[in-house]
Amino acid sequence: SAVISQKPSRDICQRGTSLTIQCQVDSQVTMMFWYRQQPGQSLTLIATANQGSEATYESGFVIDKFPISRPNLTFSTLTVSNMSPEDSSIYLCSVRNGIRSTEAFFGQGTRLTVV
Amino acid sequence: AQRVTQPEKLLSVFKGAPVELKCNYSYSGSPELFWYVQYSRQRLQLLLRHISRESIKGFTADLNKGETSFHLKKPFAQEEDSAMYYCALRGSGANSKLTFGKGITLSVRP
Repeated sequence: SAVISQKPSRDICQRGTSLTIQCQVDSQVTMMFWYRQQPGQSLTLIATANQGSEATYESGFVIDKFPISRPNLTFSTLTVSNMSPEDSSIYLCSVRNGIRSTEAFFGQGTRLTVV
Repeated sequence: AQRVTQPEKLLSVFKGAPVELKCNYSYSGSPELFWYVQYSRQRLQLLLRHISRESIKGFTADLNKGETSFHLKKPFAQEEDSAMYYCALRGSGANSKLTFGKGITLSVRP
C-alpha cells in the first residue's frame, strides 16, 4: 500500500491568484495522477505526472492552467493558475505502484474554493 | 472511449435489507472493473476488483460482459456500510487511465 499526504487540505482563494497543491507519498511509486472532482460530479483525470518530464494531460486540460511538477518518485505538485470560481473543486492526488498494479491509492484531497 | 454509468445518486435502505448498487460500462476491449468507497471524512479507497472474485465486507460484484455491468451487491446491509460508492474502469493497456462513474450515496438506516 501507499500512504499519501496532500497539502493543503482546503483553501479559499481570490480569483486571479494561483494555488499549488503538494502530494507526498511514503514510498517510491511508478505512477502519479491528479484528479478533479467538481461539486456533484465524478472524478475526472487532469493529468499523469511523469518523473523528470512534462506531464501527460487529458483532453480539456492544459499545462498553462494546471502546471504539474514531479521531481522524484515520491513527490508531485499541481498548480491551479489564474483561478476563477469555476475552479472551485476537490483536487485529488492518486498513485499506482508498478506498471501492472491495478490498485490506485488516493490522498485525502484538497478542497478549493475560489471567491 | 471508456465510460462508466451509475444511474442512481442515492440509495436508502434499512439495516438488514439487501443492497444492489448498479454500474454499467462502455469499453471496446477487456476492461478491469473496480468499486471504490469513501466513508465519511475518509479518503477514497478500493473496495473490490473484478479480477479478485472475492467478497469484501460482505460485498460482491460480478462482471457481466453480456450486459456490460458490474453491480455491487450485499445481502444484508449494515449501518457502517453508509458511504459514497464509485464504480471505476481501467482499460487493458498498461498505462490505461482509471475512469470513474458519478458515484452513489448509500444510506443504511437503523
